Amino acid sequence: DAKTTQPTSMDCAEGRAANLPCNHSTISGNEYVYWYRQIHSQGPQYIIHGLKNNETNEMASLIITEDRKSSTLILPHATLRDTAVYYCIVNPGAAGNKLTFGGGTRVLVKP
Amino acid sequence: EAGVAQSPRYKIIEKRQSVAFWCNPISGHATLYWYQQILGQGPKLLIQFQNNGVVDDSQLPKDRFSAERLKGVDSTLKIQPAKLEDSAVYLCASRPTGAGEQYFGPGTRLTVT
Repeated sequence: DAKTTQPTSMDCAEGRAANLPCNHSTISGNEYVYWYRQIHSQGPQYIIHGLKNNETNEMASLIITEDRKSSTLILPHATLRDTAVYYCIVNPGAAGNKLTFGGGTRVLVKP
Repeated sequence: EAGVAQSPRYKIIEKRQSVAFWCNPISGHATLYWYQQILGQGPKLLIQFQNNGVVDDSQLPKDRFSAERLKGVDSTLKIQPAKLEDSAVYLCASRPTGAGEQYFGPGTRLTVT
């Protein structure tokens, strides 16, 4: 599986957009980009995934660069409940069979 | 729709004792996973089941860990005997056939003293 690089931590202001970067320069053509988050004392929660097109759902937007070597997860209006560790994972195939978690980005939303 | 259920939520045992964790996946989800999450790290896959068959157990310490998924629904993960380094949160996840996302339970926090 390709590896990802994420900042260790970042702060953002409540109500503002949070932009979480992820580098995956060795991603293969058939690998998807998945984002999960883990709120304290809970299990990870799926957010969104994509192959090469930008994706949006009720939780977030995913912007993938044209060369697919990096992506950005956007939380459009961060709330205090979005404070969590965010994991960017690349995974072969739509089945997402095996998730290899890195250290993630610890996001703190401040009032 | 009910989520992934796990029990117990917390367990404290002494080293060399045995312990078992239970997971009930979302109804209809054929694939089930067990992960180990050590404090400060991301989850690490221990074992993956497809229905009641093992797909991947390459990272399961088989000398002390075992898991089963009888009848392709519930699953149990056992540690015998436990070591101090087994202190972690054990997460269960399930995934429906044809979908990419996994759904995680709340986890069981194990403390080995």
